Amino acid sequence: QVQLQQSGPRLVKPSQTLSLTCAISGDSVSRNSAAWNWIRQSPSRGLEWLGRTYYRSKWYNDYAVSVKSRITINPDTSKNQFSLQLNSVTPEDTAVYYCAREGSGSVLFWGQGTLVTVSS
Amino acid sequence: DVQVTQSPSSLSASVGDRVTITCRARQSISTYLNWYQQKPGKAPNLLIYAASTLQSGVPSRFSGSGSGTDFTLTISSLQPEDFATYYCQQSYNTPFTFGQGTKLEIK
Repeated sequence: QVQLQQSGPRLVKPSQTLSLTCAISGDSVSRNSAAWNWIRQSPSRGLEWLGRTYYRSKWYNDYAVSVKSRITINPDTSKNQFSLQLNSVTPEDTAVYYCAREGSGSVLFWGQGTLVTVSS
Repeated sequence: DVQVTQSPSSLSASVGDRVTITCRARQSISTYLNWYQQKPGKAPNLLIYAASTLQSGVPSRFSGSGSGTDFTLTISSLQPEDFATYYCQQSYNTPFTFGQGTKLEIK
């Protein structure tokens, strides 16, 4: 059974960087048939897909246009995990952040969710 | 971006009722449409993928249909545990986009 365990700070100051990590058990970040996503949810924006990383003989990334200038999603094969970095955050980035394993576009496995608040 | 719009945004129904939720895509997405159920404080749970394929372990009272731009999620006989919020999601291309949700409440 695939399990995703999120970790990272729950409070981030405006203009700083939001960093979250998703540790994978029961699967491999390098699996050819999976993609590793970050999705967030807030009352104002609903469920919002942020981006993903995936391996198909080499590593690829896709990012949402709305955050493309500020986001980095990286795999870490040595620790079997992947991470999210979102730079220059504002209060609008306050949300529950989920990591998720996607296969053929649908998400079967989700992390537990992390409420990240952007506030001074 | 492929926008998807759900209706209704909320719905009151009783145990045993048949309920239908609709999702419309702004452009044709073939059958690249998934449905999720979310309960408060929990991550979404995949119910149906590829418009009509029931995820393993999901009760057969849930069904999905549609292709192109119009899709439906049907619950044939509501059970108490079905009261939740439902989302559609298009996986035709990135950025993946979600509907705004349908909150299903007890009448």
